[in-house]
Amino acid sequence: AQKITQTQPGMFVQEKEAVTLDCTYDTSDQSYGLFWYKQPSSGEMIFLIYQGSYDEQNATEGRYSLNFQKARKSANLVISASQLGDSAMYFCAMEGAFKTIFGAGTRLFVKA
Amino acid sequence: GAVVSQHPSWVICKSGTSVKIECRSLDFQATTMFWYRQFPKQSLMLMATSNEGSKATYEQGVEKDKFLINHASLTLSTLTVTSAHPEDSSFYICSASTSGGPAQETQYFGPGTRLLVL
Repeated sequence: AQKITQTQPGMFVQEKEAVTLDCTYDTSDQSYGLFWYKQPSSGEMIFLIYQGSYDEQNATEGRYSLNFQKARKSANLVISASQLGDSAMYFCAMEGAFKTIFGAGTRLFVKA
Repeated sequence: GAVVSQHPSWVICKSGTSVKIECRSLDFQATTMFWYRQFPKQSLMLMATSNEGSKATYEQGVEKDKFLINHASLTLSTLTVTSAHPEDSSFYICSASTSGGPAQETQYFGPGTRLLVL
């Protein structure tokens, strides 16, 4: 069975500093994808970054990078130079076997 | 990028009535659409997967007779909450995919529909 775990219900970070949001997963699929989404208070799901299970390099998208450690089954999101607008819920998700499951989410608070 | 719309964005209804939520892919054809439910301060829970022209696949614990899903075309899927009750109040989000398997950015999410059943 597939499982996604986000152990940090809430995180605080000072503006302009970097923050790491943790995500671990479990799957028996050989091929899968890992995603991070941002959900602001409006509710929309905003795609941030993707990592394929066979990608050898860690994915990066602007200020977002994904620290993918396949052997440890972790896919942590690193946000560099945090901005006030980064305050939101962040969900880690795994796609495999034609469906996607989401972690419980981490609420990030960026302090001025 | 690909755009997915949902209508209505929010709805308030009386207990016992049925509510239909539409999910449309505006600029692409979606072979697969997914329906999620999100309770306050909780994560998205997949309710069902629908493929155009076939019956939806429901997740365990989701009542197929209560949550009717129709995927009549490659750009439209509807979710009907039949005989809604207060416990059905939630945020319903659809997503649309152009492929059936793992790939980068395969899912495009709609803005969501907030349902409040009185």
